[in-house]
Amino acid sequence: AQKITQTQPGMFVQEKEAVTLDCTYDTSDPSYGLFWYKQPSSGEMIFLIYQGSYDQQNATEGRYSLNFQKARKSANLVISASQLGDSAMYFCAMREGGNAGNMLTFGGGTRLMVKP
Amino acid sequence: DTGVSQDPRHKITKRGQNVTFRCDPISEHNRLYWYRQTLGQGPEFLTYFQNEAQLEKSRLLSDRFSAERPKGSFSTLEIQRTEQGDSAMYLCASSLAHGDRARQPQHFGDGTRLSIL
Repeated sequence: AQKITQTQPGMFVQEKEAVTLDCTYDTSDPSYGLFWYKQPSSGEMIFLIYQGSYDQQNATEGRYSLNFQKARKSANLVISASQLGDSAMYFCAMREGGNAGNMLTFGGGTRLMVKP
Repeated sequence: DTGVSQDPRHKITKRGQNVTFRCDPISEHNRLYWYRQTLGQGPEFLTYFQNEAQLEKSRLLSDRFSAERPKGSFSTLEIQRTEQGDSAMYLCASSLAHGDRARQPQHFGDGTRLSIL
């Protein structure tokens, strides 16, 4: 079974509008962390935001916020006021707790295209 | 620049040749990870080190792959007798291993793109 599912292969958004990128996850571990990374066409993976399974509030980092719904096992990324430079691949990833839980498991990604 | 550094950025080689990639992590980071990313997919975990100890290896890491991290600083990933299916981007990441382990993000390098002819 897929541990991280990103159901939107591609998304368009108008510049200056907000956009939500979906991510659902599957784990039986009560302790886990969810990460979002941005990968521009140049290839580097840029860390955006983190949400811990025990965090009481949704994470926010500048224009990025995470809509964390634990019961639904979803961790959607919201980008407000989209900019042309936001055009990139976006990956959701999970790290599960426990001794063997140091790796990140990534979803298949969503390609975001910002229209001027 | 104090980020994760990978060398080379691109490698083109013939099938059957051996290749070696290098990763220099962020200096204070004691954990180092290798991932492989094929076109249109998310990265897949290969292996990771804490200091010089290799603590976990994925099933993706066949016998032709070997990784080292002598002295707990830079790391090398070697692929012997390369095959067409080895064509991918090889990403290195590093992180700190203290405090809330789950909270520490992994910081990635720009990757090495391998093309097998």
